[in-house]
Amino acid sequence: KNEVEQSPQNLTAQEGEFITINCSYSVGISALHWLQQHPGGGIVSLFMLSSGKKKHGRLIATINIQEKHSSLHITASHPRDSAVYICAAFSGTYKYIFGTGTRLKVLA
Amino acid sequence: DVKVTQSSRYLVKRTGEKVFLECVQDMDHENMFWYRQDPGLGLRLIYFSYDVKMKEKGDIPEGYSVSREKKERFSLILESASTNQTSMYLCASSFLAGVNEQYFGPGTRLTVT
Repeated sequence: KNEVEQSPQNLTAQEGEFITINCSYSVGISALHWLQQHPGGGIVSLFMLSSGKKKHGRLIATINIQEKHSSLHITASHPRDSAVYICAAFSGTYKYIFGTGTRLKVLA
Repeated sequence: DVKVTQSSRYLVKRTGEKVFLECVQDMDHENMFWYRQDPGLGLRLIYFSYDVKMKEKGDIPEGYSVSREKKERFSLILESASTNQTSMYLCASSFLAGVNEQYFGPGTRLTVT
């Protein structure tokens, strides 16, 4: 079993839908990082959070440290949100443990 | 903005060739990382460096070596490329202290034939 699990692995949504991607981890962490990877490979940082909730535009990330769970929400989804979303648990020093990603496709 | 650049976006090499992948960051970050990314496996750490000339093995160092002669530059070397090293290679950098967010380069898609 991976130390960082994401669900779902694949997700197809219609434009305008509310989307939730989940990340569960089994290790102690200092913070959790949400990343976005578009086709072509480049990875962009979305959020880094260690408690509570963060919001940026249509993206919201939450974390529950006690339950070892984080969610990434996309409101009013758009085709340009189509990407792979990756969560990564930061356990201190340099070590990141990555989930395998959720592939999101938003249809117009 | 932090900028992490990689020397090539796409690379095709033959089995047995020596391959150099270079990464440069412009934010004076102490930490630099090399990952490979394969379908279904996520990102796996090959090597990381926390200072010039310092390196630490990651989870999958076999078949790779690294070099960090200057703070801003971190090179990944495949001494004798093999087909199972066909992958996407991603470089990242971060500050040493604190909750250090990683910044990624655009990736190099390496094909070994």
